[in-house]
Amino acid sequence: DQQVKQNSPSLSVQEGRISILNCDYTNSMFDYFLWYKKYPAEGPTFLISISSIKDKNEDGRFTVFLNKSAKHLSLHIVPSQPGDSAVYFCAASGGSNYKLTFGKGTLLTVNP
Amino acid sequence: DADVTQTPRNRITKTGKRIMLECSQTKGHDRMYWYRQDPGLGLRLIYYSFDVKDINKGEISDGYSVSRQAQAKFSLSLESAIPNQTALYFCATSDSLPGLAVNEQFFGPGTRLTVL
Repeated sequence: DQQVKQNSPSLSVQEGRISILNCDYTNSMFDYFLWYKKYPAEGPTFLISISSIKDKNEDGRFTVFLNKSAKHLSLHIVPSQPGDSAVYFCAASGGSNYKLTFGKGTLLTVNP
Repeated sequence: DADVTQTPRNRITKTGKRIMLECSQTKGHDRMYWYRQDPGLGLRLIYYSFDVKDINKGEISDGYSVSRQAQAKFSLSLESAIPNQTALYFCATSDSLPGLAVNEQFFGPGTRLTVL
């Protein structure tokens, strides 16, 4: 039972355009959501997060949107840069134990 | 220096061998985690520890054991390695202070383990 789903294994965009990465979840107990970025041969690094009390959080070129009724969140990167090419993981936590449940990841390729 | 370090970074071993992967952190965090990453499967939690005396199984703990030797050290053991344990292994830490920051985990660089 996959509680966090990233249905697009890969995404390719042109430099300067918008990248939109999507994530769906099924567990209503999740109340905090995170995006991690991973380069080859490195560990995942935290990118941006959002609490369930908000519907948008912005940090520079990165914005995360949360639609609680649809159990859907998305990460927007504007403008996309070649250095953004990486695997992006969506993660969620909820309840008192703060464990993270990860999606399978989406490989973003930004073409110059 | 890196906040979360893992040793070794790469390891090739044979079926049936005992393997230990080590993780150390200088972040001062109480909580530590072990994950494995397989192609197309994302990150799956093996074990986690919320303090030195607390060890908990994750979603895929069979075939693994852990030891929390100190606040800063958390090791993962494969008592008798098998080929389907070939994967990337990541250690992570998180804070335990009240607030949203407790959700954010910081990852080490990973260990690539191959079991022949």
